[in-house]
Amino acid sequence: GDSVTQMEGPVTLSEEAFLTINCTYTATGYPSLFWYVQYPGEGLQLLLKATKADDKGSNKGFEATYRKETTSFHLEKGSVQVSDSAVYFCALTDRGSTLGRLYFGRGTQLTVWP
Amino acid sequence: ETGVTQSPTHLIKTRGQQVTLRCSSQSGHNTVSWYQQALGQGPQFIFQYYREEENGRGNFPPRFSGLQFPNYSSELNVNALELDDSALYLCASSPGQVDQGEAFFGQGTRLTVV
Repeated sequence: GDSVTQMEGPVTLSEEAFLTINCTYTATGYPSLFWYVQYPGEGLQLLLKATKADDKGSNKGFEATYRKETTSFHLEKGSVQVSDSAVYFCALTDRGSTLGRLYFGRGTQLTVWP
Repeated sequence: ETGVTQSPTHLIKTRGQQVTLRCSSQSGHNTVSWYQQALGQGPQFIFQYYREEENGRGNFPPRFSGLQFPNYSSELNVNALELDDSALYLCASSPGQVDQGEAFFGQGTRLTVV
């Protein structure tokens, strides 16, 4: 079945450090891939997405590239800010399914210190 | 354009009781999905409603049930509450039942079962 595996957290960084959060997936069909962010006390917000192999999603300085050969979608940011502190979820949907459910990873807690 | 709103934001119930959670979908969205997010975990798909019909269901028992109304708002009902039902319940609305990456999430209802 479809699933997402995320790097275990928590991740603690100093401001302006480089961030990588690893994500790999298993899919029976042809997935679309997403990163969602959850700030304290809030719901999920879509951060970025990619719908086909080699696509790069980007938003707010974050980037992730859809790598079909390694079944990965790692999240990166060159210089994190304190305001980036949140929980990050990697997710996928199976584009070949008529049921557009999201499969989420367990989430990675990021804390950025000034 | 209003976003996805959920009510109540917090709720405490006793084991064995029943609970109803509500979700108002974003204007123009005909699909609502419900997710359960246990502490420290990623959201798990409960079910999806499309134009007032259940469109698909995750691995949850029948005591989890739902409704979608003609205005596309939705309810999640849980009977015979168990301690393990304590979680954040997220509602997501989207303009169609596929490609849930376009879904918009509410802030969630935090349910505590004691």
